Amino acid sequence: DTGVSQNPRHKITKRGQNVTFRCDPISEHNRLYWYRQTLGQGPEFLTYFQNEAQLEKSRLLSDRFSAERPKGSFSTLEIQRTEQGDSAMYLCASSLEDRAAFFGQGTRLTVV
Amino acid sequence: GQQVMQIPQYQHVQEGEDFTTYCNSSTTLSNIQWYKQRPGGHPVFLIQLVKSGEVKKQKRLTFQFGEAKKNSSLHITATQTTDVGTYFCAGRAGGGNKLTFGTGTQLKVEL
Repeated sequence: DTGVSQNPRHKITKRGQNVTFRCDPISEHNRLYWYRQTLGQGPEFLTYFQNEAQLEKSRLLSDRFSAERPKGSFSTLEIQRTEQGDSAMYLCASSLEDRAAFFGQGTRLTVV
Repeated sequence: GQQVMQIPQYQHVQEGEDFTTYCNSSTTLSNIQWYKQRPGGHPVFLIQLVKSGEVKKQKRLTFQFGEAKKNSSLHITATQTTDVGTYFCAGRAGGGNKLTFGTGTQLKVEL
């Protein structure tokens, strides 16, 4: 399967714990996006990378969120000191320049 | 910041009826994309429009990009049960690369 891969698919964590998600984009895609989606809402932009450079980060994102894309390949999204309000589906997508964005299956985070 | 709104939020139709969703951006867009998300699934790319006034068709689906490049529409002719899902527009503000999604229109098709 050469699509976008996200791991884990599901994560249940206790409030206050740190979590890290991984995204493996389509290999030739230079752009990688992270979105958060809650039930009944559209994907909410979190951040995006052009190769290894993080070019924009949502102003809505607190300092507890950080993302990396070392070497311009896979990316990780870390949430520190999780809160119940962080519970959501975290979606990763990749694209070649401005072309179609291909999404992974997402990581569903539940903070208890 | 850029906002992208869609109307209606929900639409229930009988199979065979037509359906239209409208997308409006607070800023001029360099391009607009449309995605479909089935229940429990992830967004899947449908099409991209780039030129002012552009119209593209995919079988029963017709996509239009407004003259001012601030709005777009998706029209489905003779809906089928397979059209069920949420349709999102997504756009990039002129000169930027951030892809902002609209609020979505959830389509339900009844037999």
